[in-house]
Amino acid sequence: EADIYQTPRYLVIGTGKKITLECSQTMGHDKMYWYQQDPGMELHLIHYSYGVNSTEKGDLSSESTVSRIRTEHFPLTLESARPSHTSQYLCASSERPGLSSYNEQFFGPGTRLTVL
Amino acid sequence: GESVGLHLPTLSVQEGDNSIINCAYSNSASDYFIWYKQESGKGPQFIIDIRSNMDKRQGQRVTVLLNKTVKHLSLQIAATQPGDSAVYFCAETDSGAGSYQLTFGKGTKLSVIP
Repeated sequence: EADIYQTPRYLVIGTGKKITLECSQTMGHDKMYWYQQDPGMELHLIHYSYGVNSTEKGDLSSESTVSRIRTEHFPLTLESARPSHTSQYLCASSERPGLSSYNEQFFGPGTRLTVL
Repeated sequence: GESVGLHLPTLSVQEGDNSIINCAYSNSASDYFIWYKQESGKGPQFIIDIRSNMDKRQGQRVTVLLNKTVKHLSLQIAATQPGDSAVYFCAETDSGAGSYQLTFGKGTKLSVIP
């Protein structure tokens, strides 16, 4: 089982609140990712990081922001939550791949967010 | 945001039968293809991958077939067990693009009938 953790697992919060979803991995992986997944749907990449002090936006536009101050930690923040942010948020990490290869992404258990 | 009213493709198989889950991909430049299994309430878990220079790869009870001509990928599960019940996603990546991103397909829900 992968050593990647997400907290909280479930969060119900009111509109307008600021929230931070935590993600930590103990594998020393350089790359980390945040995906958004609606029920029964595919995963969409919203943010990723190549390493410390690196953050990039993914394919799906998101009002969230991320930071990468430490290798093991990649928190996601919503400044003002709205009902449209209701979804599951999955964090993943991988080693930096070598040339012409990719490295397996290990996923955390996810945070199910409900904004009322 | 949350979507309602959309249903995953569903495959129901009898325990002990073989399962075949299909996936179409879109990027001709993709050179790695991966299958993930996602159980209820959990994150996706890696099952098997295949590089684009291969047509077939076998793992324990699973086989992935790749047909680049029609951009089609399939996952075969032998002797399906109740523990195989989950949503299965295929993913593709273009390692030459440098971003190491995975693009996920729509999942298929596998239900195993005991």
